[in-house]
Amino acid sequence: SQKIEQNSEALNIQEGKTATLTCNYTNYSPAYLQWYRQDPGRGPVFLLLIRENEKEKRKERLKVTFDTTLKQSLFHITASQPADSATYLCALVQGGKLIFGQGTELSVKP
Amino acid sequence: EPEVTQTPSHQVTQMGQEVILRCVPISNHLYFYWYRQILGQKVEFLVSFYNNEISEKSEIFDDQFSVERPDGSNFTLKIRSTKLEDSAMYFCASSWTGKLDEQYFGPGTRLTVT
Repeated sequence: SQKIEQNSEALNIQEGKTATLTCNYTNYSPAYLQWYRQDPGRGPVFLLLIRENEKEKRKERLKVTFDTTLKQSLFHITASQPADSATYLCALVQGGKLIFGQGTELSVKP
Repeated sequence: EPEVTQTPSHQVTQMGQEVILRCVPISNHLYFYWYRQILGQKVEFLVSFYNNEISEKSEIFDDQFSVERPDGSNFTLKIRSTKLEDSAMYFCASSWTGKLDEQYFGPGTRLTVT
C-alpha cells in the first residue's frame, strides 16, 4: 500500500541547533515534493518545493534533500529559533493534488 | 500580499443538514482545491477544480459533496446531508499552475456536526 511517513515523535531541540525532519514514502514515484509549515488551527503554508532531478534545495535557513532511490526527503532548519516551533508537513505532488504526511511537531526551546 | 479567504471560520450544524463552505481564492490563480483535516489527523485531499470543472476527486468526495465556482471570485464546497464524521477543518487552496506551483491555503473553516 502507499504510505508517507514522517518522524512520528515530536522533535524538541535547543535554540541555535539544526533541526532535521524526515519524510519517507513507499509505492509512490513523485516528480515533486513540497514542505509546508502548519501552526495550530491554521492552514498549511508553503516553504519549499524540490523536483526529482534536484538533490538539494535551499532557502535562507531551510534546506531540503530528495533521494528518489531511498524514497526519502530530509528537511533541515539551521540556527533554529523558538519562532520555528510548528508542525512541518511533507507533501508528495501527484497530478495536481498534494498527498500529505501526518507531520512532525517541532518545538524549539530558548 | 494576496491571500485565500474562507467563510465562515466556524460552522456548527445538525446531522442531515446542508452546509456551504465559501472560499475566495487568489484572484489570478487558475486551480482550486478543497482539503480537510480531521482533528489530530493528516490533511487529506478532497477535490481539485480547473476551467469550471472537477479535475480530480478523492474517495472521500462522494455524492454528498459538490463544488461550484458561481462567479469569478468565489469557490464553494457543499455538503448535502452532513454526517458526524464530516466534522473537520476544511481548507480551500489555490495555485497558478496545477503541478509546479505551491498551493496557497486559506485559514480554514471548522465544521462541527452535532
